Amino acid sequence: EVQLVESGGGLVQPGGSLRLSCVASGFSVTTSYISWVRQAPGKGLEWVSVFYAGGSPSYADSVKGRFTMSRDDSQNTLFLQMDSLTPDDTAVYYCARDRTVTTGGFDYWGQGTLVTVSS
Amino acid sequence: DIQMTQSPSSLSASVGDRVIITCRASQRIDSFLNWYQQKPGKAPKLLIFTASSLQIGVPSRFSGSGSGTDFTLTISNLQPEDFATYYCQQSYKTPLTFGGGTKVEIK
Repeated sequence: EVQLVESGGGLVQPGGSLRLSCVASGFSVTTSYISWVRQAPGKGLEWVSVFYAGGSPSYADSVKGRFTMSRDDSQNTLFLQMDSLTPDDTAVYYCARDRTVTTGGFDYWGQGTLVTVSS
Repeated sequence: DIQMTQSPSSLSASVGDRVIITCRASQRIDSFLNWYQQKPGKAPKLLIFTASSLQIGVPSRFSGSGSGTDFTLTISNLQPEDFATYYCQQSYKTPLTFGGGTKVEIK
Protein backbone atom coordinates (compact mmCIF):
# COMPACT_ATOMS: atom_id res chain seq x y z
CA GLU A 1 0.00 0.00 0.00
CA VAL A 2 1.30 3.41 -1.00
CA GLN A 3 1.66 5.77 1.94
CA LEU A 4 3.29 9.10 2.72
CA VAL A 5 3.79 10.25 6.30
CA GLU A 6 5.02 13.73 7.16
CA SER A 7 6.54 14.86 10.43
CA GLY A 8 8.61 17.67 11.86
CA GLY A 9 6.12 20.50 12.02
CA GLY A 10 5.73 22.75 15.02
CA LEU A 11 5.98 26.29 16.37
CA VAL A 12 9.05 28.29 15.40
CA GLN A 13 10.00 31.94 15.78
CA PRO A 14 10.45 34.23 12.77
CA GLY A 15 13.92 33.78 11.34
CA GLY A 16 14.13 30.24 12.67
CA SER A 17 14.49 26.89 10.94
CA LEU A 18 12.60 23.64 10.76
CA ARG A 19 13.16 20.34 8.97
CA LEU A 20 10.21 18.36 7.69
CA SER A 21 10.35 14.67 6.80
CA CYS A 22 8.20 12.66 4.39
CA VAL A 23 8.55 8.89 4.76
CA ALA A 24 7.31 6.93 1.77
CA SER A 25 6.21 3.31 1.72
CA GLY A 26 4.80 1.03 -0.94
CA PHE A 27 6.94 2.54 -3.71
CA SER A 28 10.46 3.87 -4.27
CA VAL A 29 11.15 7.59 -4.09
CA THR A 30 14.02 7.05 -6.55
CA THR A 31 11.56 6.41 -9.39
CA SER A 32 8.94 9.02 -8.50
CA TYR A 33 8.58 12.78 -8.35
CA ILE A 34 7.67 13.97 -4.85
CA SER A 35 6.46 17.50 -4.16
CA TRP A 36 5.79 19.59 -1.10
CA VAL A 37 2.52 21.51 -1.23
CA ARG A 38 1.40 23.87 1.52
CA GLN A 39 -1.88 25.41 2.61
CA ALA A 40 -2.04 28.46 4.82
CA PRO A 41 -4.95 28.52 7.31
CA GLY A 42 -8.20 29.10 5.43
CA LYS A 43 -6.38 29.53 2.11
CA GLY A 44 -5.79 27.56 -1.07
CA LEU A 45 -3.06 25.17 -2.14
CA GLU A 46 0.44 26.37 -3.01
CA TRP A 47 3.11 24.21 -4.59
CA VAL A 48 6.46 24.60 -2.81
CA SER A 49 9.04 22.27 -4.35
CA VAL A 50 9.61 19.03 -6.24
CA PHE A 51 12.40 16.46 -6.12
CA TYR A 52 12.76 14.78 -9.46
CA ALA A 53 13.43 11.04 -9.54
CA GLY A 54 16.92 11.34 -10.95
CA GLY A 55 17.69 15.02 -10.74
CA SER A 56 17.83 18.10 -8.64
CA PRO A 57 14.99 19.91 -6.87
CA SER A 58 12.93 22.80 -8.18
CA TYR A 59 11.36 25.49 -6.00
CA ALA A 60 8.65 28.11 -5.99
CA ASP A 61 10.00 31.65 -6.07
CA SER A 62 8.45 32.30 -2.65
CA VAL A 63 10.83 29.81 -1.00
CA LYS A 64 13.83 29.79 -3.34
CA GLY A 65 17.06 30.39 -1.42
CA ARG A 66 15.40 29.61 1.93
CA PHE A 67 14.08 26.07 1.54
CA THR A 68 16.10 23.03 0.52
CA MET A 69 14.67 19.69 -0.51
CA SER A 70 16.73 16.53 -0.21
CA ARG A 71 16.29 12.79 -0.30
CA ASP A 72 17.66 9.78 1.59
CA ASP A 73 17.25 6.79 -0.69
CA SER A 74 18.21 4.29 2.03
CA GLN A 75 15.31 5.52 4.18
CA ASN A 76 12.94 6.14 1.22
CA THR A 77 12.46 9.59 2.72
CA LEU A 78 12.30 13.17 1.48
CA PHE A 79 13.21 16.19 3.60
CA LEU A 80 12.39 19.87 3.45
CA GLN A 81 14.86 22.09 5.27
CA MET A 82 13.20 25.45 5.91
CA ASP A 83 15.37 28.39 6.94
CA SER A 84 14.72 32.11 7.50
CA LEU A 85 11.08 31.36 8.20
CA THR A 86 8.51 34.18 8.21
CA PRO A 87 4.87 34.27 9.37
CA ASP A 88 3.86 33.89 5.70
CA ASP A 89 5.30 30.36 5.82
CA THR A 90 2.67 29.32 8.37
CA ALA A 91 0.75 26.47 6.77
CA VAL A 92 -0.01 22.79 6.70
CA TYR A 93 2.72 21.16 4.62
CA TYR A 94 1.85 18.10 2.57
CA CYS A 95 4.13 15.83 0.60
CA ALA A 96 2.53 14.37 -2.49
CA ARG A 97 3.53 11.93 -5.23
CA ASP A 98 3.14 12.54 -8.94
CA ARG A 99 0.98 9.93 -10.68
CA THR A 100 3.52 9.63 -13.46
CA VAL A 101 6.67 11.51 -14.24
CA THR A 102 5.28 12.59 -17.62
CA THR A 103 1.77 13.87 -17.01
CA GLY A 104 1.59 14.79 -13.35
CA GLY A 105 -1.31 14.84 -10.96
CA PHE A 106 -0.71 14.09 -7.29
CA ASP A 107 -2.26 10.68 -6.64
CA TYR A 108 -1.06 10.15 -3.07
CA TRP A 109 -0.78 12.72 -0.29
CA GLY A 110 0.40 12.59 3.27
CA GLN A 111 -1.79 13.70 6.16
CA GLY A 112 0.09 17.00 6.45
CA THR A 113 2.17 18.60 9.20
CA LEU A 114 1.44 22.06 10.60
CA VAL A 115 4.17 24.69 10.67
CA THR A 116 3.44 27.82 12.70
CA VAL A 117 5.85 30.75 12.50
CA SER A 118 5.15 33.17 15.31
CA SER A 119 6.86 35.03 18.11
CA ASP B 1 4.32 31.60 -14.08
CA ILE B 2 1.05 30.09 -15.32
CA GLN B 3 -1.94 31.58 -13.51
CA MET B 4 -4.96 29.35 -12.96
CA THR B 5 -8.32 31.09 -12.54
CA GLN B 6 -11.28 29.13 -11.22
CA SER B 7 -14.89 30.19 -11.23
CA PRO B 8 -17.04 30.49 -9.37
CA SER B 9 -15.21 30.79 -6.06
CA SER B 10 -18.24 29.32 -4.34
CA LEU B 11 -21.65 27.97 -5.22
CA SER B 12 -24.73 26.58 -3.52
CA ALA B 13 -26.37 23.48 -4.91
CA SER B 14 -28.81 20.78 -3.94
CA VAL B 15 -28.44 17.02 -3.89
CA GLY B 16 -29.12 15.73 -7.38
CA ASP B 17 -28.00 18.93 -9.12
CA ARG B 18 -25.47 19.15 -11.92
CA VAL B 19 -22.53 21.37 -11.04
CA ILE B 20 -19.99 22.84 -13.43
CA ILE B 21 -16.72 24.44 -12.32
CA THR B 22 -14.44 26.17 -14.78
CA CYS B 23 -10.70 26.70 -14.78
CA ARG B 24 -8.76 28.94 -17.14
CA ALA B 25 -4.99 28.93 -17.63
CA SER B 26 -3.09 32.10 -18.48
CA GLN B 27 -1.31 30.25 -21.29
CA ARG B 28 -1.82 27.01 -23.19
CA ILE B 29 -1.15 23.90 -21.10
CA ASP B 30 -2.34 21.22 -23.56
CA SER B 31 -4.18 18.69 -21.35
CA PHE B 32 -1.88 18.95 -18.33
CA LEU B 33 -4.74 19.83 -16.01
CA ASN B 34 -5.78 17.99 -12.84
CA TRP B 35 -8.74 18.35 -10.47
CA TYR B 36 -8.79 17.72 -6.72
CA GLN B 37 -11.45 17.54 -4.04
CA GLN B 38 -10.63 18.65 -0.50
CA LYS B 39 -12.73 18.28 2.61
CA PRO B 40 -12.03 20.24 5.82
CA GLY B 41 -8.99 18.98 7.72
CA LYS B 42 -8.11 16.46 5.03
CA ALA B 43 -5.52 16.22 2.27
CA PRO B 44 -6.70 16.85 -1.28
CA LYS B 45 -7.86 13.88 -3.31
CA LEU B 46 -7.12 13.50 -7.02
CA LEU B 47 -10.32 13.22 -9.08
CA ILE B 48 -9.32 13.87 -12.69
CA PHE B 49 -5.90 13.88 -14.36
CA THR B 50 -4.85 15.05 -17.83
CA ALA B 51 -8.07 17.03 -18.11
CA SER B 52 -10.49 14.17 -18.61
CA SER B 53 -9.14 10.89 -17.15
CA LEU B 54 -10.94 9.62 -14.09
CA GLN B 55 -8.68 8.56 -11.24
CA ILE B 56 -9.19 4.99 -10.03
CA GLY B 57 -11.93 4.73 -7.44
CA VAL B 58 -13.58 8.08 -8.26
CA PRO B 59 -17.30 7.86 -9.04
CA SER B 60 -18.30 8.30 -12.67
CA ARG B 61 -20.53 11.28 -11.83
CA PHE B 62 -17.28 13.29 -11.92
CA SER B 63 -16.04 14.23 -15.38
CA GLY B 64 -13.57 16.67 -16.85
CA SER B 65 -13.11 18.26 -20.24
CA GLY B 66 -11.09 20.86 -22.06
CA SER B 67 -7.65 21.47 -23.48
CA GLY B 68 -5.42 24.43 -24.19
CA THR B 69 -6.55 27.11 -21.75
CA ASP B 70 -10.16 26.33 -20.80
CA PHE B 71 -11.27 23.40 -18.68
CA THR B 72 -14.37 22.24 -16.83
CA LEU B 73 -15.16 19.86 -14.00
CA THR B 74 -18.71 18.54 -14.02
CA ILE B 75 -20.40 16.78 -11.13
CA SER B 76 -23.60 15.10 -12.24
CA ASN B 77 -26.23 14.14 -9.69
CA LEU B 78 -24.51 15.86 -6.76
CA GLN B 79 -24.32 13.66 -3.66
CA PRO B 80 -24.06 14.69 0.02
CA GLU B 81 -20.43 13.57 0.16
CA ASP B 82 -19.54 15.89 -2.75
CA PHE B 83 -19.88 19.06 -0.69
CA ALA B 84 -16.26 20.15 -0.53
CA THR B 85 -13.73 22.51 -2.10
CA TYR B 86 -12.41 21.75 -5.56
CA TYR B 87 -9.09 22.85 -7.04
CA CYS B 88 -7.62 22.71 -10.52
CA GLN B 89 -3.85 22.41 -10.99
CA GLN B 90 -1.61 22.63 -14.03
CA SER B 91 1.23 20.14 -14.42
CA TYR B 92 2.49 21.58 -17.70
CA LYS B 93 5.57 23.16 -16.18
CA THR B 94 7.05 24.35 -12.91
CA PRO B 95 6.21 26.26 -10.90
CA LEU B 96 3.15 24.03 -10.65
CA THR B 97 0.14 26.18 -9.88
CA PHE B 98 -3.34 25.70 -8.46
CA GLY B 99 -6.55 27.55 -8.98
CA GLY B 100 -7.99 29.47 -6.07
CA GLY B 101 -10.60 26.83 -5.32
CA THR B 102 -14.37 26.46 -5.61
CA LYS B 103 -16.36 25.75 -2.47
CA VAL B 104 -19.50 23.72 -3.14
CA GLU B 105 -22.03 24.26 -0.38
CA ILE B 106 -25.45 22.86 0.38
CA LYS B 107 -28.36 25.02 -0.72
